[in-house]
Parts: sequence; C-alpha cells; structure tokens
Amino acid sequence: GNSVTQMEGPVTLSEEAFLTINCTYTATGYPSLFWYVQYPGEGLQLLLKATKADDKGSNKGFEATYRKETTSFHLEKGSVQVSDSAVYFCALSLYNFNKFYFGSGTKLNVKP
Amino acid sequence: DVKVTQSSRYLVKRTGEKVFLECVQDMDHENMFWYRQDPGLGLRLIYFSYDVKMKEKGDIPEGYSVSREKKERFSLILESASTNQTSMYLCASSSGTVQETQYFGPGTRLLVL
Repeated sequence: GNSVTQMEGPVTLSEEAFLTINCTYTATGYPSLFWYVQYPGEGLQLLLKATKADDKGSNKGFEATYRKETTSFHLEKGSVQVSDSAVYFCALSLYNFNKFYFGSGTKLNVKP
Repeated sequence: DVKVTQSSRYLVKRTGEKVFLECVQDMDHENMFWYRQDPGLGLRLIYFSYDVKMKEKGDIPEGYSVSREKKERFSLILESASTNQTSMYLCASSSGTVQETQYFGPGTRLLVL
C-alpha cells in the first residue's frame, strides 16, 4: 500500500540549530513528495515539493531531496528560527485523482 | 493566490444533531477533499470529489456524507453527530492535473457534546 512515516515529535531546538525531520515512504508507482507546514490555529501550507527522483525542493531556507533508493524525503534547515515553530507534515501523491497520503506530523519547537 | 475558505472556524454541536461544514475555493479546481486531523493520527481522508456531483469515499467515510452541487463548493455532512467526531476538519482543493499541490482551508474545529 501507500504510506508515509515521519519521525515522532516533538522536536525541540535552540534558535540557529540545524534541523532534520526524517520522512520515508512506501508507494505503488512514482509519487510526488511534499512537505507542508501548519502554524498554530491554521490550515496546512505547502512548504516545498519534488516530483521525481533526485529533485530537490527548497523554500524559506528549508530543503528536501527526493531519494528513490532510500525512499526518503528528509526535511532540513541549516539555522532554525523561533518563527519556524510549527507542525510539519510529509506527504506523497499518486495519479489516482491526486489523492494524498500524509504522515502523522512532527511538531517543532524552537526556543530563543 | 488560491483561496480556500471554510464556513466556520469553531463549532459546538450536540450529539445527534445534523452538522454541515462548507468549503469554497476560488481557483476553479476540479478536485476537492475533506480530511479530519487528530493528534498522533495526522490527516485522514474522509471523502473527495473530482467533479461536480461526483464523490468518492476516502479512508474513513463512515458517519459522513458529502455534496458537490457546484464546482467551487464542497460540503461535508455529519448526519447524526457523535462525540467521536470531535475533531479538526480540513478542506483542500487541487487542479485536475495529476500530482498537483493541494491547497488547504484554515480548518473547522468541531466539538460534539
């Protein structure tokens, strides 16, 4: 079947620390991969995406590389800020009506 | 900018009530989706629609129904609300192109007493 597994949170970091949130997937076919971010009290916003193997998605200092050989799409940021505190969701989509499969989310807390 | 709006941010209902959650998108998207979000479970797909008057069950359709009479509007209906339907409900839309980004509304937090 199709599924996404994310590291459990919460992840607590100090400002300017390096961030990695792990994401691995299982998919029948060739998915597109996404990271969404949810700030407190809001809906999900697209952070970045990658549509094929070895693509790198990037936005706002965040990066993730589509690794087909390890079925992974880990999210990284070199220096986090307090404003990055949010819940991060990894997701994949396939061809059937653009259905998405989401991970369970990882909460990030960044302390000043 | 794509805009997806949901009719209420917070809603309190009684067990057994019929509940309507409405979602409107302004980008002429073909696909619309309803999810519920619960702690530790992530987002689970309830129903989706790929065209007007078309609907497909998602992973957890029991206790819910949907209506899509117009392209821009997708309604989620709880026929007889129960306490286990207390949750955050998120609506999303996307274009008909495969593997396209889904755009989300702000969510409706529903409490069933």
